[in-house]
Amino acid sequence: AQSVTQLDSQVPVFEEAPVELRCNYSSSVSVYLFWYVQYPNQGLQLLLKYLSGSTLVKGINGFEAEFNKSQTSFHLRKPSVHISDTAEYFCAVSEGGSNYKLTFGKGTLLTVNP
Amino acid sequence: ETGVTQTPRHLVMGMTNKKSLKCEQHLGHNAMYWYKQSAKKPLELMFVYNFKEQTENNSVPSRFSPECPNSSHLFLHLHTLQPEDSALYLCASSQAGVVETQYFGPGTRLLVL
Repeated sequence: AQSVTQLDSQVPVFEEAPVELRCNYSSSVSVYLFWYVQYPNQGLQLLLKYLSGSTLVKGINGFEAEFNKSQTSFHLRKPSVHISDTAEYFCAVSEGGSNYKLTFGKGTLLTVNP
Repeated sequence: ETGVTQTPRHLVMGMTNKKSLKCEQHLGHNAMYWYKQSAKKPLELMFVYNFKEQTENNSVPSRFSPECPNSSHLFLHLHTLQPEDSALYLCASSQAGVVETQYFGPGTRLLVL
C-alpha cells in the first residue's frame, strides 16, 4: 500500500527567503506524484505533478519539485517566497493504473512572515 | 473560480437531523469524488463516481449516503451523524482516465452537535 510522509507540519519563513517542503512516499510500484495547495477557506488547487520524463517539474506560482526515485522523495521548492504563499501544502501519490486513488500526506503549513 | 461549487459552505446539525451536501461541476468532467478533511489528518477519499456509477466506497459508514444523478452533480446525504463526523467535506471532479488532475470545490464545513 502506498503512503505519504510530510516531515514538517509547519514551516515558518521570512518573505523573499527560499523554502523547501519535504515529501517522502512509499510504494511497491511506479507512482505519480502531486503537490496541492490550500489557501484559507478554499479547496485544494494543483501546483504541479510528476507523471514521467524529466525529474524536475515546474508548477504555478514559481514552485518546482524534484522527483528522486532512489530516495523516494518529491520535495517542493521555491527560491523566494511571498506573503501570499502562506497556505497549507499537500503532497499526494497515485499508484500506476489507479488514476483516481490519491493518497495524501498530512500537509505542511507554510507561514511567510514580513 | 475553480469550476466546482459546493453548497452549503457551512452546516451545523444535530445528531438526529438529516441534511444533504451538494456539489456541482461546470468543467465537463465525468468523474466525481467526496473527500473528508479532518484536522491533523490526511485527506480521506470517501466515494468515487465514474460516469454516474459508484466505483469506490472507502469503508464509509452507512450514515453517509452518496448520490450522483448525472455527471455534473454529486450529493452526500447525511443522517444520524456523530460529533466525530465534524470536518470539511470536499468535492472534486476530473476526467475519467489515467492520472487526470482532480479539481476541488471550496468544501462544506460541517459541525455535528
